[in-house]
Amino acid sequence: SQKIEQNSEALNIQEGKTATLTCNYTNYSPAYLQWYRQDPGRGPVFLLLIRENEKEKRKERLKVTFDTTLKQSLFHITASQPADSATYLCARPYNYGQNFVFGPGTRLSVLP
Amino acid sequence: DTEVTQTPKHLVMGMTNKKSLKCEQHMGHRAMYWYKQKAKKPPELMFVYSYEKLSINESVPSRFSPECPNSSLLNLHLHALQPEDSALYLCASSQVLTGSTYTQYFGPGTRLTVL
Repeated sequence: SQKIEQNSEALNIQEGKTATLTCNYTNYSPAYLQWYRQDPGRGPVFLLLIRENEKEKRKERLKVTFDTTLKQSLFHITASQPADSATYLCARPYNYGQNFVFGPGTRLSVLP
Repeated sequence: DTEVTQTPKHLVMGMTNKKSLKCEQHMGHRAMYWYKQKAKKPPELMFVYSYEKLSINESVPSRFSPECPNSSLLNLHLHALQPEDSALYLCASSQVLTGSTYTQYFGPGTRLTVL
């Protein structure tokens, strides 16, 4: 079965620092990985997608990397703000991309 | 319009009740999903509809019955639920493009409590 692990359940960082979240997967490399943000009691919101042939993707203060050798994706938030506090989920597709399995999530708290 | 709407926002029901959750999207997406999410856990896939046909049922108990009346609507009918079914139920939709990527758009969820 396809498994996704995220390195920590919770991460606290100081405002202005860079937050780095890790997503590790098992078995074969997926064609792509996705990162979502979820606020308490709300549905996940899509942030970024990175394909296996892309080393890095950026969107404003967000950066995602994909290392198929390490079977790992890193998600960075630079110049973090308290408003970035949320749970961040990594997801990989399976079943020809129709389904997704989500990692357990990392709850990020950015302290002022 | 990139919104997926879900009603109701909150639902409290007894174990003998019959209720329905509703989901709607107007993005022209032909794949729609139901997920169940318990507190501090990731969403878990329940059902997938593709072109209004049920394509995936992840071994969900029959007390949950999905329905896709048309390409914009998705329902989840609930009957004889158990307290452990209390959770956040999320609906999502995506395009269905062979060989492409499938970004899912999620609704805000229905918080279900079974007494």
